[in-house]
Amino acid sequence: QLQMEESGPGLVKPSETLSLTCTVSGVSISSSSYYWGWIRQPPGKGLEWIGSIYYSGTTYYKPSLKSRVTISVDTSKNQFSLRLSSVTAADTAVYYCARDLGVAASGEYYFEYWGQGALVTVSS
Amino acid sequence: QSALTQPRSVSGSPGQSVTISCAGTSSDVGGYNYVSWYQQHPGKAPKLMIYDVTKRPSGVPDRFSGSKSGNTASLTISGLQAEDETDYYCCSYAGRYTWVFGGGTKVTVL
Repeated sequence: QLQMEESGPGLVKPSETLSLTCTVSGVSISSSSYYWGWIRQPPGKGLEWIGSIYYSGTTYYKPSLKSRVTISVDTSKNQFSLRLSSVTAADTAVYYCARDLGVAASGEYYFEYWGQGALVTVSS
Repeated sequence: QSALTQPRSVSGSPGQSVTISCAGTSSDVGGYNYVSWYQQHPGKAPKLMIYDVTKRPSGVPDRFSGSKSGNTASLTISGLQAEDETDYYCCSYAGRYTWVFGGGTKVTVL
C-alpha cells in the first residue's frame, strides 16, 4: 500500500527558505509512471497546487509561484522535496505531498494518495 | 490560473440531495474531462471522491455523483447523511501538467 509522509521544520522565519521532504513507501518513485506533487492549504482556506516532479527530474510549477519554488527528487531515498524561498506570512499553510498526474497510456488525472500534511508557520 | 469558483456553503436535511457547483473556464473545467472532487474532514488529508468528472473510486458510496456542463462541474450528494457534513473541493486539470482547485464548499446537514 502506497504511503506518503512529509517532514521538515514547522517554523520558518520571514525571508528565509521553507524546506520539506516527502518520503514515499510501498512503491518506487523511479519505476512508477507518475508525477509527484506538492499542494498547500493556508489555515481555514482552500487547496493550492504548487508543483510536481517526475523521477527523471522534469518539473512543473504553478506560474505565480514559479520564481520561488524548487522541487527535487532523490530516487535513491525514494523521496522528493520542496523548497520555497523568500517566504512571508502568506506562505503559512499545511503542506501536503501527493501522487500527481499518472502518465501511463490511460492517464490518471487525479490525486489518489496524500500525505497527512505538515503545518509550516512563517513567523519571526 | 485563477481558482475555480465554488459556493462557500450548501445545506440539506438528512435524506435530501445537495449539489455543489464548480465554475471554471474553457482553459480548465471546460477544456478537459478531468475534474475531480475531494472530501476533507477537519485536520485530515483530502480524500478522492470523484475523478474524470463522473467516476467513483472503489469504496466511495454511490450517493456521490459528478457531472459537467460547459465550464461548470457539479458534485451531487443524494440521500444526505450526517457523516457527509464536511468540506468538499473540486479540482481540474489546466493543461501543461498543471492543476487548479476550487475554494471549497462546506456541506451542512440540518
